[in-house]
Amino acid sequence: DSGVTQTPKHLITATGQRVTLRCSPRSGDLSVYWYQQSLDQGLQFLIQYYNGEERAKGNILERFSAQQFPDLHSELNLSSLELGDSALYFCASSPLAGGHLWTDTQYFGPGTRLTVL
Amino acid sequence: DAKTTQPPSMDCAEGRAANLPCNHSTISGNEYVYWYRQIHSQGPQYIIHGLKNNETNEMASLIITEDRKSSTLILPHATLRDTAVYYCIVRVDGNQFYFGTGTSLTVIP
Repeated sequence: DSGVTQTPKHLITATGQRVTLRCSPRSGDLSVYWYQQSLDQGLQFLIQYYNGEERAKGNILERFSAQQFPDLHSELNLSSLELGDSALYFCASSPLAGGHLWTDTQYFGPGTRLTVL
Repeated sequence: DAKTTQPPSMDCAEGRAANLPCNHSTISGNEYVYWYRQIHSQGPQYIIHGLKNNETNEMASLIITEDRKSSTLILPHATLRDTAVYYCIVRVDGNQFYFGTGTSLTVIP
C-alpha cells in the first residue's frame, strides 16, 4: 500500500459525458501527478500540481483539466469523452516539487479504470 | 523521446537472481535513475533509485556503471510474485517520468 488513494476504482460511462477522478496523496506529500495508461500508449504523464499550483504539463488534452485543493487532494476532470479515452488513470504523489537536483520519489495509487462506451 | 533502452522481455528461474539491464547513454550528471515495476494493471511500485553509487534496499540492488551510461537492477532471489513489467526511468524535465515500454520479467517455477 503506497498511501495514495484513488476513487472510484472503476467507471463506465458513455461518449460525450464528463467524469471526475479523485486522488488523495500520501500524508505530507505536496505534489500530485496524473498519468494515463492505455493499451497502445503505455504510461503517459499528464500533469503535475505542487501545493495547489500547476507545476508541469505533459500530454494532456484540452478536454482534460485538473486541480489541487487546499487539503492537497486532486481531481482530474475528463469531458466530451471519446472511446479512445478508455484507459487506466493513475495518480502519484511525492513530497517535493521535483527538479533536476532533487531526488523526489513518486508513489502511485491503485488507479481508476475508465471505460467509455 | 525515451531516454532509456531496455530489453522487451526476460525469463528468470525462481530462486535465481534476476538481472535487468538498462541503457541511458544520454543521462546528464545530475539525473537520477529510478526503477519501478508494475504487476498486472496495478499502480507502478517504486523499487530503488540512484545517482552514481551502487544502491541496495530490501527489494533490490542497483548497479550503475562508472560512466553512468547504463545500470542493472538485481533481484537477488526472484520469486513468482516478482513477475511484472520493470521500468527504468531517467527524469525528463522537472520531476516528469517517462516510463517507456519496460522489460516484462517472467519468473519461471
